[in-house]
Amino acid sequence: DADVTQTPRNRITKTGKRIMLECSQTKGHDRMYWYRQDPGLGLRLIYYSFDVKDINKGEISDGYSVSRQAQAKFSLSLESAIPNQTALYFCATSGADRNTEAFFGQGTRLTVV
Amino acid sequence: AQKITQTQPGMFVQEKEAVTLDCTYDTSDQSYGLFWYKQPSSGEMIFLIYQGSYDEQNATEGRYSLNFQKARKSANLVISASQLGDSAMYFCAMREGPGGTSYGKLTFGQGTILTVHP
Repeated sequence: DADVTQTPRNRITKTGKRIMLECSQTKGHDRMYWYRQDPGLGLRLIYYSFDVKDINKGEISDGYSVSRQAQAKFSLSLESAIPNQTALYFCATSGADRNTEAFFGQGTRLTVV
Repeated sequence: AQKITQTQPGMFVQEKEAVTLDCTYDTSDQSYGLFWYKQPSSGEMIFLIYQGSYDEQNATEGRYSLNFQKARKSANLVISASQLGDSAMYFCAMREGPGGTSYGKLTFGQGTILTVHP
């Protein structure tokens, strides 16, 4: 099984709909992240969490919300999806040390029509 | 705030040649880590190599090496003996250590698409 699992892998939704992307990890890490990837812009941080009670906004949090249900689970919600939220979304997890790499899920390709 | 810049949107290299992918960063923190990831066309993110700000030697992992120039704030990835399977998007990333204003955040550059020609 993958260390970081994202569901769904692909999703097409309509403008205005609420959608939730889910992420679970088996690494036992406290830190979890949500990124979106757009061509030419790299990966941009949406939200990150250092433990269940610590959730922080990233550089592009507007229009998104998150929930850290447990150490292993971190979900991202789009309350009212809009077309410019069409992107590839990644969940990641890492240890606390600065020298530990992040482990990524396989990504969720979201299309808002 | 930390920032990562990759100025090469695309790079081309002949198979078996070496190629350097550029990465510059900006941070006021003294303790930080630099990472390179590979993203093939299938989309997954693959960790390649890590360099700590206090590491005196450049990191190496097989055909990957990191040319770390701390004073210039650059952390270029060198791929030796390029292979067709190296064709992918490559991302540079940084995480600040304790004391940094962006402590714990992992920030990515825009990426460089590498194409290896046979």
